[in-house]
Amino acid sequence: GQQLNQSPQSMFIQEGEDVSMNCTSSSIFNTWLWYKQDPGEGPVLLIALYKAGELTSNGRLTAQFGITRKDSFLNISASIPSDVGIYFCAGQTSYSGAGSYQLTFGKGTKLSVIP
Amino acid sequence: KAGVTQTPRYLIKTRGQQVTLSCSPISGHRSVSWYQQTPGQGLQFLFEYFSETQRNKGNFPGRFSGRQFSNSRSEMNVSTLELGDSALYLCASSLETATEAFFGQGTRLTVV
Repeated sequence: GQQLNQSPQSMFIQEGEDVSMNCTSSSIFNTWLWYKQDPGEGPVLLIALYKAGELTSNGRLTAQFGITRKDSFLNISASIPSDVGIYFCAGQTSYSGAGSYQLTFGKGTKLSVIP
Repeated sequence: KAGVTQTPRYLIKTRGQQVTLSCSPISGHRSVSWYQQTPGQGLQFLFEYFSETQRNKGNFPGRFSGRQFSNSRSEMNVSTLELGDSALYLCASSLETATEAFFGQGTRLTVV
């Protein structure tokens, strides 16, 4: 089946630093999504990307949909303590004719911010 | 606008028992997807329902089943529980498809 390789697995950064994480796939996706999950909670949608090459920002977060449609990255600028959590990428393909979709998730990047 | 609500939040069951989890989607959302999250396997797709019909199913054994009601609320059932079924079960709703899915807080199932 489809697999997403998300890296790095974990990061320790100083407060105020910028962060970058990415996902790659052997398959083409029509949509890339980025989620953040806090302990004991469900994932929260951060950014959705729909077109190859698309660059979208949400506050200090910026994400891009790779030109090949097989990768995406997420940048966080000027990190703060509340950025701590696990960040997941998710890709979606459309099943032609079926009209149903599923999300394939990366294994996550665990971000720790040192005050 | 209320978010996705999952009940119960926590559940402890014994091997061999069955369990039913509930999910109420965001008002107006017709697509409900279920995911299993474990430390080793990450988030894995179970199935998706739309207008009471299962449209897509992941690679899980037949012990995992679900349904969706006319008000879009969904339930998933796991029969003959195994220790390996211990996980966080997440439900996500979206307007039409599984894109831009909004997740509930999950149900933490522990099988002993």
